[in-house]
Amino acid sequence: NAGVTQTPKFRILKIGQSMTLQCTQDMNHNYMYWYRQDPGMGLKLIYYSVGAGITDKGEVPNGYNVSRSTTEDFPLRLELAAPSQTSVYFCASSQTGENEQYFGPGTRLTVT
Amino acid sequence: GENVEQHPSTLSVQEGDSAVIKCTYSDSASNYFPWYKQELGKRPQLIIDIRSNVGEKKDQRIAVTLNKTAKHFSLHITETQPEDSAVYFCAASIAGGGNKLTFGTGTQLKVEL
Repeated sequence: NAGVTQTPKFRILKIGQSMTLQCTQDMNHNYMYWYRQDPGMGLKLIYYSVGAGITDKGEVPNGYNVSRSTTEDFPLRLELAAPSQTSVYFCASSQTGENEQYFGPGTRLTVT
Repeated sequence: GENVEQHPSTLSVQEGDSAVIKCTYSDSASNYFPWYKQELGKRPQLIIDIRSNVGEKKDQRIAVTLNKTAKHFSLHITETQPEDSAVYFCAASIAGGGNKLTFGTGTQLKVEL
């Protein structure tokens, strides 16, 4: 199993551009999450999903959108990128809402 | 919402000594408390977790204690080794309620030879 994979690994965006961060898991996990980690800080939850077709906001959802059309994929969309969205983005998944969350390798995003 | 505070922000110990990292949480409904280790440039990896129905859990050199009344939990690493050097994060969530983790701000542990 590859586990949780994320693409791209790195990206530089200009202010106002848009992009989609991809996340895929091959563990047939129901729950998936997007976190952001700012330098020297802990992770903050952006959005999460408890199953295909079901998504909900986390602590810091503004400026982002998600969709969950399949169990495997949970893309994160950034519209009108702003410098405040410069961060490392981690996707995670878990089998249920009571299990360990497995993290992907992260996407380092810079908005200039 | 939940708020998790973590101390200290940096910790330096000699190889072989013990290290203790402490966290407090605000939401009494939280019942799942994982600890993650993150090496530079890497993803967070779970090292141990505890649920609110137990007060202590051990796994070789690592242990976690939980005090529900005081709403705090701690990570204990004994016989520290250089490979223990990393950033450690505590987190809290309501398992079964989406398990949305709220993280502490991290502790940079440095184990010196």
